[in-house]
Amino acid sequence: QQQVKQSPQSLIVQKGGISIINCAYENTAFDYFPWYQQFPGKGPALLIAIRPDVSEKKEGRFTISFNKSAKQFSLHIMDSQPGDSATYFCAATDQGAQKLVFGQGTRLTINP
Amino acid sequence: DVKVTQSSRYLVKRTGEKVFLECVQDMDHENMFWYRQDPGLGLRLIYFSYDVKMKEKGDIPEGYSVSREKKERFSLILESASTNQTSMYLCASTPRRHNEQFFGPGTRLTVL
Repeated sequence: QQQVKQSPQSLIVQKGGISIINCAYENTAFDYFPWYQQFPGKGPALLIAIRPDVSEKKEGRFTISFNKSAKQFSLHIMDSQPGDSATYFCAATDQGAQKLVFGQGTRLTINP
Repeated sequence: DVKVTQSSRYLVKRTGEKVFLECVQDMDHENMFWYRQDPGLGLRLIYFSYDVKMKEKGDIPEGYSVSREKKERFSLILESASTNQTSMYLCASTPRRHNEQFFGPGTRLTVL
């Protein structure tokens, strides 16, 4: 029940295309859903996060879509750029836990 | 800016050696975490600490121990390193009751 399942494991998108990464969770107590971005040789860094009181959050080219009934959330990267090439992790937690449960990660490659 | 530093970027050890991985954060954060990162498995929590001298097991604590004698420093100890502990180790910190975790750059440990 603590798992977060992420797909796909790897993704190749052409420059200018839309990148979509999906995550699913089981624990209905989760109430915070962040996405982390990791470049080679660096630690992950928070990219964008959502709480379940909204169905969508947008920051620039990055959007989280959240479906509470399906227990799924996804990251959309519009107009994908080569600089977006990185590994992306979804995560989830409930406020009381103070620790994150991470998905398996997606290696995204944007071809120029 | 929050800074989380890890003592080594790369480390090579022999089977059976005792290994110390050090993590230091400079933002007075209460919570600190140790993860290991393996392809296809995402980030898995080894141990975390809510305060000085306090520690709790994560999802994969076997073969590891930790020490937190000072608020800014969290050490991961491999009592007797084994080849299946070859991995990337990431440290993170966060203030109490705050979800965003700040990661260090990681230590790539190879056990021969």
